[in-house]
Amino acid sequence: KAGVTQTPRYLIKTRGQQVTLSCSPISGHRSVSWYQQTPGQGLQFLFEYFSETQRNKGNFPGRFSGRQFSNSRSEMNVSTLELGDSALYLCASSLQGYNSPLHFGNGTRLTVT
Amino acid sequence: AQSVSQHNHHVILSEAASLELGCNYSYGGTVNLFWYVQYPGQHLQLLLKYFSGDPLVKGIKGFEAEFIKSKFSFNLRKPSVQWSDTAEYFCAVWSNYQLIWGAGTKLIIKP
Repeated sequence: KAGVTQTPRYLIKTRGQQVTLSCSPISGHRSVSWYQQTPGQGLQFLFEYFSETQRNKGNFPGRFSGRQFSNSRSEMNVSTLELGDSALYLCASSLQGYNSPLHFGNGTRLTVT
Repeated sequence: AQSVSQHNHHVILSEAASLELGCNYSYGGTVNLFWYVQYPGQHLQLLLKYFSGDPLVKGIKGFEAEFIKSKFSFNLRKPSVQWSDTAEYFCAVWSNYQLIWGAGTKLIIKP
């Protein structure tokens, strides 16, 4: 079974721009969640989707948004980028999202200059 | 709100030494607990999980963890570490459709 695929692997953007990250979950997994990983803050939850519905959202500003498509693929969008948005963005998929182990992708490394 | 504490941010051991990484969580009710590992340059991988039943959980690569409800702890152990265990280890608890993560412990094994 193919793992979780995130594209692109690396992104360099300038302040004020917007960016879209993509995640393809493991086949059959209906839950996709997104996490931000930084050296200072560690791993922080962004949001979780199940069957195209957002079930939970972390404490991030409205500039961070996401969606899930009918095939379970998900996208995350960050608008008006700030320097502090530089991070590794991780996508994880699971069967149900509730109490089932998460399977992570390799992440997208976003650098904002 | 649920929180997870990992006591050691950096641990350095020699090969064949025994390992114990501490993890404490704050919620007193039913919990589902995980240990994940991130090897250098690789994605996060599940080491082991506890949902219910036997509080001693065995995972991959010889790791195990013990859930002690009275101490709100879920410590990770390995009797004899190898150089290839060099990685960052994260304890996490499931809460409201998200994983709440500890800060992580960077483990370095000296050959």
